[in-house]
Amino acid sequence: EIVMTQSPATLSVSPGERATLSCRASQSVRSNLAWYQQKPGQAPRLLIYGASTRATGIPARFSGSGSGTEFTLTISSLQSEDFAVYYCQQYNNWPPVTFGQGTRVDIK
Amino acid sequence: EVQLVESGGGLIQPGGSLRLSCAASGFTVSSNYMSWVRQAPGKGPEWVSVIYSGGSTYYADSVKGRFTISRDNSKNTLHLQMNSLRAEDTAVYYCARDRIAAAGTWVDVWGQGTTVTVSS
Repeated sequence: EIVMTQSPATLSVSPGERATLSCRASQSVRSNLAWYQQKPGQAPRLLIYGASTRATGIPARFSGSGSGTEFTLTISSLQSEDFAVYYCQQYNNWPPVTFGQGTRVDIK
Repeated sequence: EVQLVESGGGLIQPGGSLRLSCAASGFTVSSNYMSWVRQAPGKGPEWVSVIYSGGSTYYADSVKGRFTISRDNSKNTLHLQMNSLRAEDTAVYYCARDRIAAAGTWVDVWGQGTTVTVSS
């Protein structure tokens, strides 16, 4: 089973600033990686798949990059609605797909 | 509108059984890969089970032999039968529609979740 490790656990950012979240896979997952956003009491929401393709309706301030074992989610200018927990998920070796433990983005 | 609505969660004693249901609207369950994903309090999501459009099923090792995924095509509904429940099965259970790539799947539609609490 591939283990996904996200860092940092918590990221404190001021509104309007850039946020950079990292996700590392225990072995190569090529570009088979998705990112999700989850707000309290809600289900996760798909942001990115294929490491860099934005899902329908996702603003351009969200971008994904990386391949192999190292991935990054960048939020170019944080809006108030972006403060949430973000999860990465690999789907290269499945089942099972596996998720990271999450990065919480909170207000600095 | 594409939507998934779960039901059937609750408080159950260890060793008990529950059946979760997920009613889909706006698309056909049997034409899609459908999964159950759970999330324990304060943890990341954990994949539980998938049923392919062709009917094949797969399970996480942690639930294999205890949980059964199925679908009712006439009602456009997904189910998860959970037997021999353990405290570690306590979580919010999400029904999910999967999108498929050559390598694997990711979730593009999530239900709102139903809470399962296993406790005496």
